[in-house]
Amino acid sequence: ETGVTQSPTHLIKTRGQQVTLRCSSQSGHNTVSWYQQALGQGPQFIFQYYREEENGRGNFPPRFSGLQFPNYSSELNVNALELDDSALYLCASSPPAGEVETQYFGPGTRLLVL
Amino acid sequence: RKEVEQDPGPFNVPEGATVAFNCTYSNSASQSFFWYRQDCRKEPKLLMSVYSSGNEDGRFTAQLNRASQYISLLIRDSKLSDSATYLCVVNTGRRALTFGSGTRLQVQP
Repeated sequence: ETGVTQSPTHLIKTRGQQVTLRCSSQSGHNTVSWYQQALGQGPQFIFQYYREEENGRGNFPPRFSGLQFPNYSSELNVNALELDDSALYLCASSPPAGEVETQYFGPGTRLLVL
Repeated sequence: RKEVEQDPGPFNVPEGATVAFNCTYSNSASQSFFWYRQDCRKEPKLLMSVYSSGNEDGRFTAQLNRASQYISLLIRDSKLSDSATYLCVVNTGRRALTFGSGTRLQVQP
């Protein structure tokens, strides 16, 4: 069974730039969620995608946007980067409905905004 | 008030000790409960689900008290490899997980 993968592993950007992060879900999983984890904090829910549609969103501004593709992989886009966007960005995939409502995380992308 | 509250620690314990972590959650509609483990600079990994009847997995025991909105994790016979941050997690049914800030455990030789 292939686990969740993310790319790139690390990224450095400057304030005002745009960034795209990528995620491939675990085999058999059709739902992808994105989380932001600041240093010393737990992950914070950004949004979730199911069948290529946004299926829930946390308290993040519209400059955080996403996509899900037919193969269930996903992208997170962040426009107009701010210094506070520096964090570990985690992608998690979930099995189909009816199974345990838990999520399996990828290794994350560490973003530094200068 | 945070939706999920945990004592950040750190808890410094000797090998072989028993240590307990607690967590409270504010949303009474929460449906599923978990403990995740996160090693330094790594992703969170599911440690165990938590059920109302309590459940055990080897040295780890988890308890849920819905009336008090309280979750606990007990680790017996601590190993050096147990050193990590333990995240209390709830799911309110929106399929989004809500995480506490984590409790750091350091097991010392």
